[in-house]
Amino acid sequence: SYVLTQPPSVSVAPGKTARITCGGNNIGSKSVQWYQQKPGQAPVLAIYYDSDRPSGIPERFSGSNSGDTATLTISRVEAGDEADYYCQVWHTSSDHWVFGGGTKLTVL
Amino acid sequence: QVQLVQSGAEVKKPGASVKVSCKASGYTFTGYYMHWVRQAPGQGLEWMGWINPNSGGTNYAQKFQDRVTMTRDTSISTAYMELSRLRSDDTAVYYCARVLAVHTPMGGWGYWGQGTLVTVSS
Repeated sequence: SYVLTQPPSVSVAPGKTARITCGGNNIGSKSVQWYQQKPGQAPVLAIYYDSDRPSGIPERFSGSNSGDTATLTISRVEAGDEADYYCQVWHTSSDHWVFGGGTKLTVL
Repeated sequence: QVQLVQSGAEVKKPGASVKVSCKASGYTFTGYYMHWVRQAPGQGLEWMGWINPNSGGTNYAQKFQDRVTMTRDTSISTAYMELSRLRSDDTAVYYCARVLAVHTPMGGWGYWGQGTLVTVSS
């Protein structure tokens, strides 16, 4: 099976830049999605196809993907960005969807 | 606007089955694949499978292959996920999620139901 590895937590001061990584074997060859989930709420799509933003997601959110690491970057972090973030890919050989374990973003 | 409204919380005994519904509105139901995901308390997201509402075709995660059944009723724009032989570790919030793009299970899941808590307890 395909494994996606995320750091359990990332902390950042308001106004700074947060980077959340998602590691996987040759993940750069796959299309990565990122979801934001706040406590008690359903997940929200933040980034799809590595770097596309759905309508309603601020431009402060961006994504990149290369080699064995995909990265979600949140610029000018705000208190409202505090949430759990999950990366997701489709694993070709199993035709299954896989999520990373999630990263808790804390705004200091 | 697109809305996915799920059925209410359920409490089941071990060994029983549960059927969760996901009623869609605001778009053409048969045009977009629906995924099902669950989240155990304090844990991450776990993909269970998808259904093509147009054909009824499904793709289940291997972990749930022998216990899950996904169906749909196009007349009322509703998708269903039934999980059988419930165990205590099936206690979780179950979500339906619609794909952004038409006629494909790929890409981002841009719309989610509110979640349905299923508690399995004797």
